[in-house]
Amino acid sequence: QKEVEQNSGPLSVPEGAIASLNCTYSDRGSQSFFWYRQYSGKSPELIMFIYSNGDKEDGRFTAQLNKASQYVSLLIRDSQPSDSATYLCAVNGAAGGTSYGKLTFGQGTILTVHP
Amino acid sequence: EPEVTQTPSHQVTQMGQEVILRCVPISNHLYFYWYRQILGQKVEFLVSFYNNEISEKSEIFDDQFSVERPDGSNFTLKIRSTKLEDSAMYFCASRTSGGAETQYFGPGTRLLVL
Repeated sequence: QKEVEQNSGPLSVPEGAIASLNCTYSDRGSQSFFWYRQYSGKSPELIMFIYSNGDKEDGRFTAQLNKASQYVSLLIRDSQPSDSATYLCAVNGAAGGTSYGKLTFGQGTILTVHP
Repeated sequence: EPEVTQTPSHQVTQMGQEVILRCVPISNHLYFYWYRQILGQKVEFLVSFYNNEISEKSEIFDDQFSVERPDGSNFTLKIRSTKLEDSAMYFCASRTSGGAETQYFGPGTRLLVL
């Protein structure tokens, strides 16, 4: 059973602070990793994806991937109240494997940014 | 910007009834997916579809479920005889081919089985 684990939170940070969200995965062959944001009652909305070890930055968001540790994280700088949502980590199966193309989601981390 | 669309947004049905959930994927996308999310739980994969056939299905996707691409634009999920535990949000997603693996999700259909 391929698993994706996230701390469910809630994670509460003050406005302007850095929010750090973490995710671990069990399938060592996984090759692509996604962070989605989900507001209550809405669908997952892509924030960013990462394929390679290291950091990837997009505006206020930075994804970090460490395949050796099977760990992916998302940093949100200058957090805003509008960032308050559930953040979902999703992992794609290994290319060529039967799970390729299928996203396995973590349970999500609830983030609250308070003014 | 192109979007995945889904209809209806909400559906209420009686246990044992058939429901069809509809999706219009992004027009140049070739891979299609259904996921579901029971209230308070994680998003779960149901089925993937490519080249007019199922690529993979989960344990949830039993004989009561079927998918179809009846024309060049629609992608449907049918539940033949709904159960109480089918109550969930159902999301359709699509992606293009090649190296871009990002799946884009529709707004979802909230299904309530009474």
